[in-house]
Amino acid sequence: NAGVTQTPKFQVLKTGQSMTLQCAQDMNHEYMSWYRQDPGMGLRLIHYSVGAGITDQGEVPNGYNVSRSTTEDFPLRLLSAAPSQTSVYFCASSYASRGGTEAFFGQGTRLTVV
Amino acid sequence: AQTVTQSQPEMSVQEAETVTLSCTYDTSESDYYLFWYKQPPSRQMILVIRQEAYKQQNATENRFSVNFQKAAKSFSLKISDSQLGDAAMYFCAYRSWDDMRFGAGTRLTVKP
Repeated sequence: NAGVTQTPKFQVLKTGQSMTLQCAQDMNHEYMSWYRQDPGMGLRLIHYSVGAGITDQGEVPNGYNVSRSTTEDFPLRLLSAAPSQTSVYFCASSYASRGGTEAFFGQGTRLTVV
Repeated sequence: AQTVTQSQPEMSVQEAETVTLSCTYDTSESDYYLFWYKQPPSRQMILVIRQEAYKQQNATENRFSVNFQKAAKSFSLKISDSQLGDAAMYFCAYRSWDDMRFGAGTRLTVKP
């Protein structure tokens, strides 16, 4: 019962470095998304995907890239890390892009950019 | 773009009492879904309750119930018989088509 698996759980980056946050789900969900959580701002949508080969931007996409080559994986790439990207990142997945199906979340990645 | 507003950054309740968390949203859609998620200190996001906009009946899940007012675009969560384990951040969320939007959250403290 893996559900949604995010790695790593913690990461410290230097300004300008790049890295990839990994997200994998084993529930055959079509829809996957990335959020960042900042104090007082809730969860804000970065990017999402409604299926393999299809991605789109959310509220705060700048500085991040995604791709969806398989149904299971949806990595988030930070191109050149900035202190403003210090946050907790969550990956989520669900069965359909629309509807009342529950979104399942990973455990989150706490990222600090120094 | 749809927005979700939680106007109470923090709330406190005595154990065994009832508390209501507020949420309002803005949308031009007629078909959508609303959720309340709980986030304990472990950081895990846990679904508490969901509501379909086309249903007039308010959803209930054990001690958790909602007051859904579609015309007012209001979706409050009522927790009855509060327990220490209810202490957490609570997020209201809206979903229609391809994105799911969250409010800023309400931190609930439960006093013994």
